Amino acid sequence: DTGVSQDPRHKITKRGQNVTFRCDPISEHNRLYWYRQTLGQGPEFLTYFQNEAQLEKSRLLSDRFSAERPKGSFSTLEIQRTEQGDSAMYLCASSQWMGAYNEQFFGPGTRLTVL
Amino acid sequence: AQSVTQLDSHVSVSEGTPVLLRCNYSSSYSPSLFWYVQHPNKGLQLLLKYTSAATLVKGINGFEAEFKKSETSFHLTKPSAHMSDAAEYFCVVSDAGYGGSQGNLIFGKGTKLSVKP
Repeated sequence: DTGVSQDPRHKITKRGQNVTFRCDPISEHNRLYWYRQTLGQGPEFLTYFQNEAQLEKSRLLSDRFSAERPKGSFSTLEIQRTEQGDSAMYLCASSQWMGAYNEQFFGPGTRLTVL
Repeated sequence: AQSVTQLDSHVSVSEGTPVLLRCNYSSSYSPSLFWYVQHPNKGLQLLLKYTSAATLVKGINGFEAEFKKSETSFHLTKPSAHMSDAAEYFCVVSDAGYGGSQGNLIFGKGTKLSVKP
């Protein structure tokens, strides 16, 4: 257990529905990252926050995706109008950013299945 | 731009024999390199990290990796495999080096390690 938790662990939804995932990072960490992992691939970066500010978004993050980190604590990732191609494991990680080094601690992930 | 290439998608060894998982990297500047392990239905766990200190890095569970700048490699080794080592291993580069500010991790495609009794 790394101290990063994600909820739910599994989500099955029908195409076109909206889904929201939550990530609770290690409490003293100022950075929070979202990644997506599809079957047989390594995780791919989606977006990250430093405190409450969203500083970077990947091209993978279409306009159907939105992420927030109110008050710089937990974060939510929402997918609107889900598509079958959104089926993946969504991973959250947190770190204490101190410049040149960035060890990230990962949560167990939320597995999304879109029918 | 940073990237990593894991040269084997699947490695199979017998218990008690050495493990070698190969990784080459590409980076515009001095990289931070990591190996993560992912057991089935479990989260990613950091095995070891290289951050421009010693080139031979020791990690958990007897794993180690050697940073070779001339070969742009960061191979993961273990002298003697254990059944519990069976998992997916990811070589990772971070752009959190000199001039990099994001710190997001760039993963290889992974190497699945099987350990036969």
